[in-house]
Amino acid sequence: GAGVSQTPSNKVTEKGKYVELRCDPISGHTALYWYRQSLGQGPEFLIYFQGTGAADDSGLPNDRFFAVRPEGSVSTLKIQRTERGDSAVYLCASSLTGQETQYFGPGTRLLVL
Amino acid sequence: QKEVEQNSGPLSVPEGAIASLNCTYSDRVSQSFFWYRQYSGKSPELIMSIYSNGDKEDGRFTAQLNKASQYVSLLIRDSQPSDSATYLCAVHTGTASKLTFGTGTRLQVTL
Repeated sequence: GAGVSQTPSNKVTEKGKYVELRCDPISGHTALYWYRQSLGQGPEFLIYFQGTGAADDSGLPNDRFFAVRPEGSVSTLKIQRTERGDSAVYLCASSLTGQETQYFGPGTRLLVL
Repeated sequence: QKEVEQNSGPLSVPEGAIASLNCTYSDRVSQSFFWYRQYSGKSPELIMSIYSNGDKEDGRFTAQLNKASQYVSLLIRDSQPSDSATYLCAVHTGTASKLTFGTGTRLQVTL
């Protein structure tokens, strides 16, 4: 079946603007994760959803970052008042129930000018 | 001390040789260990998972886990130029569902 999909693949915005990044997990996967990867680094955890609820949001760097998953499938990561330091690749992953292999989407490359 | 440590490389091996990639982790309650391959500009792709001490083989890949030494490794036999990529070590710790990644080791397989 289809893998994890993410849109847009690239996003260029100006400092101070609001952006939304979308993730569509593998069908039937209840666990969904957001990670952020900067150049030369491994992915860093942002938030984990189990169903509709955020089970662990300890990785969100500050209150400008927020994520939702209202129907337990598609998730949206929202970034307010973007800063140049937010520029990175935002990766979404899903797993069947939360303790198994995580499968990654292609990522959204965010550039804040 | 970083939670998951890897040598950033690059690790250069000739075609046909064995590539050995290493990873150490700090949290003794870590339970699950994963190796992901990441080509430049692409997202991580799972290569191997390992949960118990010892070796696990899958084709040209062997993962090795030593929980007492808090060490996990990936061996790639008969290395091919297409194996050139960054290899990320990732760890599931305790009851946390998130993965903690190392910075990755860049592997170059030369002709």
